[in-house]
Amino acid sequence: ETGVTQTPRHLVMGMTNKKSLKCEQHLGHNAMYWYKQSAKKPLELMFVYSLEERVENNSVPSRFSPECPNSSHLFLHLHTLQPEDSALYLCASSPGTSGTGGEQFFGPGTRLTVL
Amino acid sequence: QQQVKQSPQSLIVQKGGISIINCAYENTAFDYFPWYQQFPGKGPALLIAIRPDVSEKKEGRFTISFNKSAKQFSLHIMDSQPGDSATYFCAASSYNQGGKLIFGQGTELSVKP
Repeated sequence: ETGVTQTPRHLVMGMTNKKSLKCEQHLGHNAMYWYKQSAKKPLELMFVYSLEERVENNSVPSRFSPECPNSSHLFLHLHTLQPEDSALYLCASSPGTSGTGGEQFFGPGTRLTVL
Repeated sequence: QQQVKQSPQSLIVQKGGISIINCAYENTAFDYFPWYQQFPGKGPALLIAIRPDVSEKKEGRFTISFNKSAKQFSLHIMDSQPGDSATYFCAASSYNQGGKLIFGQGTELSVKP
């Protein structure tokens, strides 16, 4: 295991539901990331937190709302999603602050299906 | 200019053969080029990485070849094994541009016994 855990592993939700994805890293890292992975497409960076401050938001629709209460935990709150939001959502962390680049450690992802 | 183009999209190799995956980039500021390996049901994991001050890096059966002038880099898997069957992603980042990883589209490798 990479030291990054995600829950739930699978989630099915209707377009009117509100749900949250959780990520926890046990590595003492300073930066955490949310990615969206769709079939046959590059990983899309959604949000970056560095030392618990959001440092990047890649034009993500407001129906996705991140929260980073401390350096070990990251949430992605979901509401009124669309079917095209169905994807694998990956959380990652890295040792340095987000601007230093380098290796990122990924969790196993949450497979989200929006009906 | 921020794109990393990866090919092929899928690859079938016989056991013992050589698997080769290629990536190309435009941004000359990129200074870190990792390859990630992803098995079904798992997140991507770093396999091997290179910086542009060397043209080749080898770790076991895995080698990155880097051509700075052509702005291309490739992953070679020698003596490919069925256990290597996975999706491989190349990526690139620039320290001076925020360190954000830009990923290629991925290559689904299948190694047949």
